[in-house]
Amino acid sequence: SYELTQPPSVSVSPGQTASITCSGDKLGDKYACWYQQKPGQSPVLVIYQDYNRPSGIPERFSGSNSGNTATLTISGTQAMDEADYYCQAWDSSTGVFGTGTKVTVL
Amino acid sequence: EVQLVESGGGLVQPGGSLRLSCAASGFTFSSYAMYWVRQAPGRGLEYVSAISSNGGSTYYANSVKGRFTISRDNSKNTLYLQMGSLRAEDMAVYYCARAIFGVVGDAFDFWGQGTMVTVSS
Repeated sequence: SYELTQPPSVSVSPGQTASITCSGDKLGDKYACWYQQKPGQSPVLVIYQDYNRPSGIPERFSGSNSGNTATLTISGTQAMDEADYYCQAWDSSTGVFGTGTKVTVL
Repeated sequence: EVQLVESGGGLVQPGGSLRLSCAASGFTFSSYAMYWVRQAPGRGLEYVSAISSNGGSTYYANSVKGRFTISRDNSKNTLYLQMGSLRAEDMAVYYCARAIFGVVGDAFDFWGQGTMVTVSS
C-alpha cells in the first residue's frame, strides 16, 4: 500500500521559516495537500493541489511538490502555527495521510 | 456557512455494530462527494471511506472493507457510516469531511467536529 512519510517533529523560532517534508513514491505525479490540526480541534485544510491556499489561510503558508517529496513551508512562523501537520494524497481512489509532523514554535 | 455535524458515536462491544451520521448544511450537499476519516487516541489521521455525490460510487480503506458501509441520503442532507464487526483498533474519533470540488479524490476542505467511537467489553 502507498505510504507517506513525514518527520515526527520540527522546531522553529518565531519569525523564522519552518519546512515540513512529505515523502512518497512518485508523489510529484499526484496532488498533495496539507492539513493543520491543533489539540482538541478538527483538521483544517491549509494547502490543496500542491500549492493552493484555501480562502482564509495566511500567505505565510506555501507548498510545493516534485519528484518524491512535497513540502509545506511556513514563512515568518507565529506562535499560533504550533500544531500537528499532515500531508495527504490519493492513490488508486484511496486516500492516504502522512505520518504527521508536530511543529513546535520555540 | 458550511456545517458538518456528526452523531451516533458511543460505546460498543467488540463484534458489535454502530451507525454514524453526518448532517450537512450551508451548501448543496448533493453536489459534493463526502468522506469519513478517523483518528485513534494520540494517533494520526486515517482515511476510512469516500462516496460520490450521487452515492453511485463508494470506496473503502482496506482496514474497513467488508465491515463498514458508507451511504448518503441527499434528500436529508445526511451522510452515514454503518460499522460492523467492530474491533478494538476501530476505536477513534470519526470525522466526516467534504470534497473541495465535489469529486472523490479532492482535498478535504470542511470537517465536522467528530464523534467518538469506543470499542470495549
